[in-house]
Amino acid sequence: NAGVTQTPKFQVLKTGQSMTLQCAQDMNHNSMYWYRQDPGMGLRLIYYSASEGTTDKGEVPNGYNVSRLNKREFSLRLESAAPSQTSVYFCASSRETNEKLFFGSGTQLSVL
Amino acid sequence: AQSVTQPDIHITVSEGASLELRCNYSYGATPYLFWYVQSPGQGLQLLLKYFSGDTLVQGIKGFEAEFKRSQSSFNLRKPSVHWSDAAEYFCAVGGRFSGNTPLVFGKGTRLSVIA
Repeated sequence: NAGVTQTPKFQVLKTGQSMTLQCAQDMNHNSMYWYRQDPGMGLRLIYYSASEGTTDKGEVPNGYNVSRLNKREFSLRLESAAPSQTSVYFCASSRETNEKLFFGSGTQLSVL
Repeated sequence: AQSVTQPDIHITVSEGASLELRCNYSYGATPYLFWYVQSPGQGLQLLLKYFSGDTLVQGIKGFEAEFKRSQSSFNLRKPSVHWSDAAEYFCAVGGRFSGNTPLVFGKGTRLSVIA
């Protein structure tokens, strides 16, 4: 079972460049999430999708956009990358929003 | 809305010693509670969860946690720590009646294990 798959694993961007992080889950989960993880800050929710067709802002949504393409896929887009967006990004999914999360292996993003 | 606090940023224990990681939550009713572990360079893995019933829950890798309503706590314990337990541990709380509100994570406790 693949679980939650996110790509790429590593990315280096220059300030102002754009990119999309891809995430797919094969567990037929309703809810999907994007988190960022920074030292000493724990996991901070960027955006989530409680169900197909809905998206909501989390704690730190500025500078990001998301698309719930279908039930399986949830992408995160940085339109104009900034050094403050250097972080490790995790995608996650769950059957419902207050149930246990399954995490992808993360994307290490550096913005120079 | 729910919230969670992990008071200890970093804990160091000797291999073979016992371990307790603290987690305090805020929620108006009995919450859903979780502990996750993150090994270096990895994603998060669920250790255990509490939904209802027995307040002492057993998890993987020999971990257990006890839900104490009176103290709003869900502390994680292990009787004898192994070097491979060195990792970051996250407590999370979910609202039983929160509809579509996602889990809230604590800031994590980093565990170091020394020989």
